[in-house]
Amino acid sequence: GNSVTQMEGPVTLSEEAFLTINCTYTATGYPSLFWYVQYPGEGLQLLLKATKADDKGSNKGFEATYRKETTSFHLEKGSVQVSDSAVYFCALSDLGNTGFQKLVFGTGTRLLVSP
Amino acid sequence: NAGVTQTPKFQVLKTGQSMTLQCAQDMNHNSMYWYRQDPGMGLRLIYYSASEGTTDKGEVPNGYNVSRLNKREFSLRLESAAPSQTSVYFCASSLEQGVSYEQYFGPGTRLTVT
Repeated sequence: GNSVTQMEGPVTLSEEAFLTINCTYTATGYPSLFWYVQYPGEGLQLLLKATKADDKGSNKGFEATYRKETTSFHLEKGSVQVSDSAVYFCALSDLGNTGFQKLVFGTGTRLLVSP
Repeated sequence: NAGVTQTPKFQVLKTGQSMTLQCAQDMNHNSMYWYRQDPGMGLRLIYYSASEGTTDKGEVPNGYNVSRLNKREFSLRLESAAPSQTSVYFCASSLEQGVSYEQYFGPGTRLTVT
């Protein structure tokens, strides 16, 4: 089945630093790709998504580009804020043999931003 | 508009005890899901309900049962809790089943089984 590999954290940055969180995937076919964010004490929220190769998803200053040639969907932000401290999950769609289209999540990467 | 709500927020059980985790959504969504989140493993799907009146197994259904009580509510039951079920449980909903539809998550229930 499809799978997602994320860089281990925590990623520790100072405010205004550049952020990259790596995500690579293994999939048959052409899955959709997602980044979800989980703030402390809350459930996951969709941050951005891309549905086909070379698509760029963007939201709240975060970007990720669907790279089919490198099977990657790295998350980037030019200048992080303390309020970006959270756990970030990369995910992809997986169409199982029952026809149910589910999300497959990576293990999550914790980001800590200090003032 | 509360979104997805879950009760309780925290629970401690002894091995062999039973309990039901409650989930409700007020967004008129058709599809609902239960996930568990374990360190180093990301989220894994336990059960889902594509629409009212239907439920199906996900990746890790053993030891759990679910009930789609009505369109709003989707409960998860542990009949005989085991330490391996210590986890954080998230309920989610989406307008329809399929990854084209954004899933909205509740705040989670942290369950410890001793």
